[in-house]
Amino acid sequence: GAGVSQSPRYKVAKRGQDVALRCDPISGHVSLFWYQQALGQGPEFLTYFQNEAQLDKSGLPSDRFFAERPEGSVSTLKIQRTQQEDSAVYLCASSWGGETEAFFGQGTRLTVV
Amino acid sequence: QKEVEQNSGPLSVPEGAIASLNCTYSDRGSQSFFWYRQYSGKSPELIMSIYSNGDKEDGRFTAQLNKASQYVSLLIRDSQPSDSATYLCAVNVGGSQGNLIFGKGTKLSVKP
Repeated sequence: GAGVSQSPRYKVAKRGQDVALRCDPISGHVSLFWYQQALGQGPEFLTYFQNEAQLDKSGLPSDRFFAERPEGSVSTLKIQRTQQEDSAVYLCASSWGGETEAFFGQGTRLTVV
Repeated sequence: QKEVEQNSGPLSVPEGAIASLNCTYSDRGSQSFFWYRQYSGKSPELIMSIYSNGDKEDGRFTAQLNKASQYVSLLIRDSQPSDSATYLCAVNVGGSQGNLIFGKGTKLSVKP
């Protein structure tokens, strides 16, 4: 596709509900990143994939957060038993890899009520 | 802990002035540096990348990198109200891992 596509754009979840956020990167991009952005803050790194391999998941805040990219293209970020503090914009970015620039999707705004 | 520090602002400049945005980083091994612009409610948009010491100019934007001082800056000449946004500094600290670390951003306001 022309850009990074994320869905849904907005998600309201009741506390305790599981959610799944999808990212479709730019075609051919090797690297895929997930970031969490709280209101008024810069993006905070969650996890990074190179193709299908999850090379770094050090930013995932708890074991309720899980990400996968099984075929090295589309990625899903899953949050189990959502809590209010999970409310944020979740940004996905992709790049050609190495030290090239990353391009962001529009994000998914998650609100946990 | 690898960190990227920015002055959160807000930085207010009059229209037509030069806006200067600064960023420092802690990982001396970092090799690539990026400035992103983020309008309220939108996703970050890449505006400049810089990889070697010195200045890099693109239109009204100039990025400056000093690896010895671990400092990167962004100058915006002839600032316009449409430049009002939050500017995020990002540093690639991962080498082959390609992990971008972001600063918290500087909010710029350009007054007509």
